[in-house]
Amino acid sequence: DAGVIQSPRHEVTEMGQEVTLRCKPISGHNSLFWYRQTMMRGLELLIYFNNNVPIDDSGMPEDRFSAKMPNASFSTLKIQPSEPRDSAVYFCASSLPYRLNPGELFFGEGSRLTVL
Amino acid sequence: AQSVTQLDSQVPVFEEAPVELRCNYSSSVSVYLFWYVQYPNQGLQLLLKYLSGSTLVKGINGFEAEFNKSQTSFHLRKPSVHISDTAEYFCAVNGQGGKLIFGQGTELSVKP
Repeated sequence: DAGVIQSPRHEVTEMGQEVTLRCKPISGHNSLFWYRQTMMRGLELLIYFNNNVPIDDSGMPEDRFSAKMPNASFSTLKIQPSEPRDSAVYFCASSLPYRLNPGELFFGEGSRLTVL
Repeated sequence: AQSVTQLDSQVPVFEEAPVELRCNYSSSVSVYLFWYVQYPNQGLQLLLKYLSGSTLVKGINGFEAEFNKSQTSFHLRKPSVHISDTAEYFCAVNGQGGKLIFGQGTELSVKP
C-alpha cells in the first residue's frame, strides 16, 4: 500500500515566484491535513479537509496561501507570491474518519521549500 | 482550548540507558493523547495513543506512556534506548473536529 505521496520533495525558488505543493492521500482516507514545520514555530496546522471540504483554515498565514482539494485523491497548497519566511518543510497527512481511528494521522515525507 | 507542553527540547542519553520524555497537556474536553516520532528527513509516525481505559499505553519499538489525569501529564518512557531511537518526538492532544495539536517536540539523541 502506498502511503501519503507528496511532491516535490525539494523546491528552491526565488522570492515572488508561485509555489505549488501537491499531495495524494491514502486511498479511503477522508481527512487531509496540511502542516508546516520550522525550527522557530514547530509544527503548525495550516488547513484541513473532511470529505474534500475545507473545515478549518485558521492556520493559513495570510492570503498568499491557498489550498484546494478537488477530489478525494488530490490536494494542493499554493503560495503566491512566495517570500523567504515561507521557507519550511510542508507536510501533508491523511486519516480515516475520526470515529473509526481517532488521531492517527499518516504523514507524507514532506516538501522542503527554500525561498531565496 | 487544548494545548500541549513538552518540557524538554533536547534529551541526550547514552545507549541502553532509560529515558523519559515529558509532556503536559491542557484540555477542557475529553482527552485523547498521542506520541509521534519523526526520524531525520521523514514524516511523523504514530508511536502510541491513549483514548480510554488503562492509563499505561504500550507502543511500537518498546516505548510506553502513562496517562496521569491529576497531573495532566502523558510522559513517554523506554527502559533501554538504542542508537536507532535517535529522533524527534512529538506529544499531541485532540483538538476540535479531529485535528491534532502538537507540542514543540523533544529531540532525543542517543550516544554510544
